[in-house]
Amino acid sequence: QVQLQESGPGLVKPSQTLSLTCTVSHDSISSGSYYWSWFRQPAGKGLEWIGRINASGNTNYRPSLKSRVTISVDTSKNQFSLRLSSVTAADTAVYYCASSVAGTSSFDYWGQGTLVTVSS
Amino acid sequence: QSVLTQPPSVSEAPRQRVTISCSGSSSNIGDNAVSWYQQLPGKAPKLLIYYDDVLPSGVSDRFSGSKSGTSASLAISGLQSEDEAVYFCSAWDDRLNGPVFGGGTKLTVL
Repeated sequence: QVQLQESGPGLVKPSQTLSLTCTVSHDSISSGSYYWSWFRQPAGKGLEWIGRINASGNTNYRPSLKSRVTISVDTSKNQFSLRLSSVTAADTAVYYCASSVAGTSSFDYWGQGTLVTVSS
Repeated sequence: QSVLTQPPSVSEAPRQRVTISCSGSSSNIGDNAVSWYQQLPGKAPKLLIYYDDVLPSGVSDRFSGSKSGTSASLAISGLQSEDEAVYFCSAWDDRLNGPVFGGGTKLTVL
């Protein structure tokens, strides 16, 4: 069964860049037709999709975050990454990575999530 | 404010049946498949239903999904204490060109 694991700093200063990596295990990030997504969930709130990438590097981003977001993939490390620039306290949330089969909108595998706090 | 609308909470007694509604629009539920997720406290979401009414392997058949027009529902029968969780609906949104979610419904098993 595919496993995803987020990693990265838990504390980021305002105006700096948030960087997270999702490592995929028990399957190749290049196998099949998958999209690899990032989500976030502020405390006590709902899920927000940030964007996605496939193994070929094709990306889609949430329009409201597009100017600050970059998602990249490293097939040699079986990882994909999120960079969110110019962060503010409003970006404080639990960040999840997840996978979906291309052509579908359901997310079948999720990482455990990692809390990122934006604070000085 | 979430794009899809769910009731904030529902409650029901053990062994009973409960339904959770999810309302959207023509750009999401009306034109695309609905998924449902279960989120236990402090855990990642778990896919319960996809393609409106299909259960992934390993998901109990006490869960079922349906859709009509721009609304969808999740039904849980034979309620158990372990079903206490927050449930989210989701669908692709053609305007966003990405998935949208409901605000989540907290289920309490009395």
